[in-house]
Amino acid sequence: AQKVTQAQTEISVVEKEDVTLDCVYETRDTTYYLFWYKQPPSGELVFLIRRNSFDEQNEISGRYSWNFQKSTSSFNFTITASQVVDSAVYFCALIPRYTGANSKLTFGKGITLSVRP
Amino acid sequence: GAVVSQHPSRVICKSGTSVKIECRSLDFQATTMFWYRQFPKQSLMLMATSNEGSKATYEQGVEKDKFLINHASLTLSTLTVTSAHPEDSSFYICSVLTSGNNEQFFGPGTRLTVL
Repeated sequence: AQKVTQAQTEISVVEKEDVTLDCVYETRDTTYYLFWYKQPPSGELVFLIRRNSFDEQNEISGRYSWNFQKSTSSFNFTITASQVVDSAVYFCALIPRYTGANSKLTFGKGITLSVRP
Repeated sequence: GAVVSQHPSRVICKSGTSVKIECRSLDFQATTMFWYRQFPKQSLMLMATSNEGSKATYEQGVEKDKFLINHASLTLSTLTVTSAHPEDSSFYICSVLTSGNNEQFFGPGTRLTVL
């Protein structure tokens, strides 16, 4: 069974602050993919990143960065110099790498980020 | 990645009526699509896996006779909510599974309100 835990439910920051969204996962699979999605008020899920379990390199994309620590089963997401447009719900998700009947995307409960001007 | 559309984006219906939601893969032939449901302030919950040309696989607790899924072509899956009730009001999102890397691309969602 898979499990994704996003312990933070709501975070509120002031614009230009840095903020880190935590994600901890559990899986018995040795190879898997981890994802982060953004869901703005419009509802559409916006893909942010996919990380292979065998690739522990951290990634930076503009103001976004991700820290993957396999040893602690964590895949944290940091937004640097946050902006009001970053306000959204952020989901972390996991799926086994193999395809099959039990290959399902498991979502965390989501973190609501509010960035105040 | 795959481009996915859903129609309608919003629907309001009376209790007892049936509502059909379409999910289209615009640039990818999808043998597998997924249907999710999201209640307010909650996460996405997988309802069913839709396989082209065969019966859908439903998650535990999801009534297959109430949520009819048809995946008649590689670009279209439909979800019909039969005899809708107010508790079926939710945000319904479909996704397309692309081959090779187990990646899913999501549609924009359909907000269903049952009065």
